[in-house]
Amino acid sequence: EPEVTQTPSHQVTQMGQEVILRCVPISNHLYFYWYRQILGQKVEFLVSFYNNEISEKSEIFDDQFSVERPDGSNFTLKIRSTKLEDSAMYFCASSGGTGVNSPLHFGNGTRLTVT
Amino acid sequence: AQSVAQPEDQVNVAEGNPLTVKCTYSVSGNPYLFWYVQYPNRGLQFLLKYITGDNLVKGSYGFEAEFNKSQTSFHLKKPSALVSDSALYFCAVRDGGGTASKLTFGTGTRLQVTL
Repeated sequence: EPEVTQTPSHQVTQMGQEVILRCVPISNHLYFYWYRQILGQKVEFLVSFYNNEISEKSEIFDDQFSVERPDGSNFTLKIRSTKLEDSAMYFCASSGGTGVNSPLHFGNGTRLTVT
Repeated sequence: AQSVAQPEDQVNVAEGNPLTVKCTYSVSGNPYLFWYVQYPNRGLQFLLKYITGDNLVKGSYGFEAEFNKSQTSFHLKKPSALVSDSALYFCAVRDGGGTASKLTFGTGTRLQVTL
């Protein structure tokens, strides 16, 4: 069964540094998402993306965050200047359609640790 | 705004006994409801969904969920729990409108199944 893949599985960075989290969505999916989960807590929506533009973003997704689909397969989340509170698991997801019949398929996540 | 509530942080059940994980929802329109499971250090796996039709929805790994409109609930159930069912379970609601509609998750319920 096709799956969403995320790299790296764990990223450690110093406060103020830029990080890029990478995702390869399922190949025929058109809708892409980033979520984050602070250790053991709620899964929070960050951003959705379709047709090379952001569809919706949460208040968490401020100017320090950006997303990009640089080619036909990758979907990236960039944090320009990381803060300690950015430490979390970041999950990428993709969906075959916006229709409510289409569940989101999640990757295994990237654990970001900001020191 | 849509939301889901999971009133129990943890549910403990003995293997072989039935299990219920509770979820209530709040939406302005039709409810589109999902259950996901998260195993340690993994992403969220889709279990089942309710879009329309029968109130009892069957999903993966023997799980089912009962939609109750009058009680605005969507409880997850399984007739006979297994130790391997121990995981974190998330209820979610999807916005039916807009492009790349997002999932909004509850806070999660940890299910612990013991021998």
